[in-house]
Amino acid sequence: NAGVTQTPKFRVLKTGQSMTLLCAQDMNHEYMYWYRQDPGMGLRLIHYSVGEGTTAKGEVPDGYNVSRLKKQNFLLGLESAAPSQTSVYFCATDRGLSSNQPQHFGDGTRLSIL
Amino acid sequence: GQQVMQIPQYQHVQEGEDFTTYCNSSTTLSNIQWYKQRPGGHPVFLIQLVKSGEVKKQKRLTFQFGEAKKNSSLHITATQTTDVGTYFCAADNYGQNFVFGPGTRLSVLP
Repeated sequence: NAGVTQTPKFRVLKTGQSMTLLCAQDMNHEYMYWYRQDPGMGLRLIHYSVGEGTTAKGEVPDGYNVSRLKKQNFLLGLESAAPSQTSVYFCATDRGLSSNQPQHFGDGTRLSIL
Repeated sequence: GQQVMQIPQYQHVQEGEDFTTYCNSSTTLSNIQWYKQRPGGHPVFLIQLVKSGEVKKQKRLTFQFGEAKKNSSLHITATQTTDVGTYFCAADNYGQNFVFGPGTRLSVLP
């Protein structure tokens, strides 16, 4: 039982390059989230999904796109990477049945944009 | 929008000393969660508080939700080196997404 798996774990990009981060979960959770974590700023929500085929913007969505074609997968895309997007990205999931569900996090993706 | 603040930002304690971190919201909350993140790791859920004035304990950890449901605290009694990490509160503003505080980083000197 892997829980929440993020790939890749590390990546270095050049400015302007594109890439996709994958989050896969085997817990049958409805809700999935993408956060970025920067020093001293905690976790900021980028986009989230409340179910297969749905996506919504979070606090800091600019420069990112997401897709949830399958319930178990939530993809985060950077179309044209910028140095300001250097961060640690975490995917999280929860059951989504009510507003008070604990979130389960993946191990993170450390992304550097040169 | 909703703002969540945590104090202190950093705390260095000697092993065996107590530690407290405070979480404050600009709005009334429906519930609040606490997470711990070890260095190099990912956030791990610790507990959730729902009721006004609620107090919950987990071994040496005591969590409290304020009477006005705008603030919360986490107190660790007799810290150990295994308590090292960053403690985040996450505030739920009645159905909107959880907003994470900036965290309090705890260092424990042996």
